[in-house]
Amino acid sequence: DTAVSQTPKYLVTQMGNDKSIKCEQNLGHDTMYWYKQDSKKFLKIMFSYNNKELIINETVPNRFSPKSPDKAHLNLHINSLELGDSAVYFCASSQRGSGYTFGSGTRLTVV
Amino acid sequence: SQELEQSPQSLIVQEGKNLTINCTSSKTLYGLYWYKQKYGEGLIFLMMLQKGGEEKSHEKITAKLDEKKQQSSLHITASQPSHAGIYLCGAPSNTGNQFYFGTGTSLTVIP
Repeated sequence: DTAVSQTPKYLVTQMGNDKSIKCEQNLGHDTMYWYKQDSKKFLKIMFSYNNKELIINETVPNRFSPKSPDKAHLNLHINSLELGDSAVYFCASSQRGSGYTFGSGTRLTVV
Repeated sequence: SQELEQSPQSLIVQEGKNLTINCTSSKTLYGLYWYKQKYGEGLIFLMMLQKGGEEKSHEKITAKLDEKKQQSSLHITASQPSHAGIYLCGAPSNTGNQFYFGTGTSLTVIP
């Protein structure tokens, strides 16, 4: 069983569209994250949810909206997609005292 | 926020050579994680270090955390093409609610 699963793995869409990336973890972790990996492979945190509560909201355009329906899910919705949104987005989860587990990434390409 | 600086940024080595990647933190580390990413795949957890002076090995990869807990090194012995990829160090904040990644090191191993 995949511990942290993201869907879709690849997403190609046109500018201006609205899209969502889903993330689910079956580890029982209480904290989930979204990271954006830029072209230089640097991973930057975007959001973090702890027990469905938003605890980190870094400087990210408000076109990006995370939604956590329960502890096991953290979805990322992006409105009015722009070319600069093209990147690989990683979901991760953690529990205090244990390590971080990452999803396999979603490669978003905006054309 | 915490900054993790990795060096070198990229590395090209001949198969069979040893190499070292460094990760330096701007603050005291409360755990240091090493990950490897291959193109198109997610992050693969390699090792976690927590105590000052700690050293862990797995196959041909050894990671160390210095006594002051502000620097870690990842050493690969007798490198192989399968070691190629991007290596990332990562660390949680002291509260554990945030997680920061290093700038990444791209490793190429030439057969």
